[in-house]
Amino acid sequence: EIVLTQSPGTLSLSPGERATLSCRASQSVSSSYLAWYQQKPGQAPRLLIYGASTRATGIPDRFSGSGSGTDFTLTVSRLEPEDFAVYYCQHYASTPLTFGGGTKVEIK
Amino acid sequence: EVQLVESGGGLVKPGGSLRLSCAVSGFTFSTAWMSWVRPAPGKGLEWVGRIKSRGSGGTIDYVAPVKDRFTISRDDSKTTLYLQMDSLKTEDTAVYYCLWYYYGYFPYWGQGTLVTVSS
Repeated sequence: EIVLTQSPGTLSLSPGERATLSCRASQSVSSSYLAWYQQKPGQAPRLLIYGASTRATGIPDRFSGSGSGTDFTLTVSRLEPEDFAVYYCQHYASTPLTFGGGTKVEIK
Repeated sequence: EVQLVESGGGLVKPGGSLRLSCAVSGFTFSTAWMSWVRPAPGKGLEWVGRIKSRGSGGTIDYVAPVKDRFTISRDDSKTTLYLQMDSLKTEDTAVYYCLWYYYGYFPYWGQGTLVTVSS
């Protein structure tokens, strides 16, 4: 089983700042089969990124994903008020699929 | 428009059973692989399992904590996915999401259905 560790657990930033979220895998994630999701309170998660770096339909270009192997990053170039939420990474390289524990991006 | 509508959640005692349903529309259900996902305390989200399409062999995989207790099935004629949950434990309490396993990631999410296991 691939274990995904997200850091930091909480990120306190102001609107307009850059957010950098990390997702580290316990073993290499083949073919960059990694996705990122955003979840707000009371809502279902929303797909942001798949294939480590491809934005999903309708996702603003301030969201970008990068990385390969065991180290992946989600970057939000300039935080908008609606971006304060919890973010999860997920691999789909093999079963069982697993998710990271999440990073909460909160308003400083 | 893709729609996934879960139902069947509720309050059940430990050791009890519950069956969740997911009505699907907006894509070809019979060729789709489907999954269930739930939040897990301290683990973020937890993938519960996956059922392949009949054309892909219909294989079903589960995450270890639910194996031998949960059963995923599908009725292609009704475009409905099911999750039969037996021997429920308090740690199974969660919102359960039915998802289109789209190459392994999940672009479409329903509202989920809440399962509460408590005495």
